[in-house]
Amino acid sequence: KAGVTQTPRYLIKTRGQQVTLSCSPISGHRSVSWYQQTPGQGLQFLFEYFSETQRNKGNFPGRFSGRQFSNSRSEMNVSTLELGDSALYLCASSSDRVYTFGSGTRLTVV
Amino acid sequence: AQSVTQLDSQVPVFEEAPVELRCNYSSSVSVYLFWYVQYPNQGLQLLLKYLSGSTLVKGINGFEAEFNKSQTSFHLRKPSVHISDTAEYFCAVSGSGSARQLTFGSGTQLTVLP
Repeated sequence: KAGVTQTPRYLIKTRGQQVTLSCSPISGHRSVSWYQQTPGQGLQFLFEYFSETQRNKGNFPGRFSGRQFSNSRSEMNVSTLELGDSALYLCASSSDRVYTFGSGTRLTVV
Repeated sequence: AQSVTQLDSQVPVFEEAPVELRCNYSSSVSVYLFWYVQYPNQGLQLLLKYLSGSTLVKGINGFEAEFNKSQTSFHLRKPSVHISDTAEYFCAVSGSGSARQLTFGSGTQLTVLP
């Protein structure tokens, strides 16, 4: 059974640009969550999608958005990038309350 | 609101010694508890989970944890650690409804010394 796949693994962007990250969940999982990991703030919840609907949202500015497609794949978008957006972005797919994480996308904003 | 406190940010221990990583949680609703491990430049791997039932939970790689509702704790233990256990460990809690998401502690860096 394939795990959670996140692409790309690494990204370097310039301040002010926008970025889109992709996540393919485990087959059959309809829930996808996104988390941001930074040395200063630790692991913080961004949002969760279930059957193409945002079910829950963390405390992040509107520059952070996401969506889920009918095949459960999810994307998150960050617009007008700031230096502080540099982080490891982790995607998790879940079933029966168990969350399985991908390897993450390391975003560096310069 | 739910929260998790990992009491030790760093735990050094010698190889083959026992280890306990401490985790306390706060939640006003029923909780589900997890321990994850993260190796450098990787994602989070689930070590074990408490959803219901027996309060002693066994996980992968010889780890176990005990859910203590009265002390709101979920400490992680291993009787004998290996060099390969060196990693960062995260305790997490999730609830129901709008509290369904995982809330993580700040992590404990376990360093196993030869």
